[in-house]
Amino acid sequence: GEDVEQSLFLSVREGDSSVINCTYTDSSSTYLYWYKQEPGAGLQLLTYIFSNMDMKQDQRLTVLLNKKDKHLSLRIADTQTGDSAIYFCAERPLSGGYNKLIFGAGTRLAVHP
Amino acid sequence: DTGVSQNPRHKITKRGQNVTFRCDPISEHNRLYWYRQTLGQGPEFLTYFQNEAQLEKSRLLSDRFSAERPKGSFSTLEIQRTEQGDSAMYLCASSRPSGANVLTFGAGSRLTVL
Repeated sequence: GEDVEQSLFLSVREGDSSVINCTYTDSSSTYLYWYKQEPGAGLQLLTYIFSNMDMKQDQRLTVLLNKKDKHLSLRIADTQTGDSAIYFCAERPLSGGYNKLIFGAGTRLAVHP
Repeated sequence: DTGVSQNPRHKITKRGQNVTFRCDPISEHNRLYWYRQTLGQGPEFLTYFQNEAQLEKSRLLSDRFSAERPKGSFSTLEIQRTEQGDSAMYLCASSRPSGANVLTFGAGSRLTVL
């Protein structure tokens, strides 16, 4: 079935690293995505990873993929107050014809001084 | 590239009324998606167009919902006889065919049904 799970809330101190975790169920998913949503706004793509990769780094963002455990994580280095938002993990499964993304419920990241 | 544009941004209506939302995708994107997002949840897929053809509809899209993309450019999502349970953010996204098929989202249209 299609189901993406994330922890609902994460609080970190400014300057620390944040790690947001996600598990997905469909091993056929070819790409996995991280989106960011700020209040009142749509979703902004942060990064994505192809399923044959273990890791992808993009400036302060590091994505780790454990395909065996169907576990995806997003690490944000040197977290800033501007990183406070909701982060969504999404998979792109074969069951959707690879045409749609299935999103988790989102992890709310709160960054405090 | 002006991004994905959605109108209106916010619509308040009474139960039983019809509402229509419009989405203007990025001009060179031939794929267009509608998602619904309720409070505290992630976006849920509603429907998908490739050019003017509606290729997939979710079970969530009851017969009160209809989406069109008549010329393969902008799209409309109409909800007839609105119910309070229809209150949500309706998100439009577009993409072009590519390996990653990255979706670019609009800011959304928030519907409140009283």
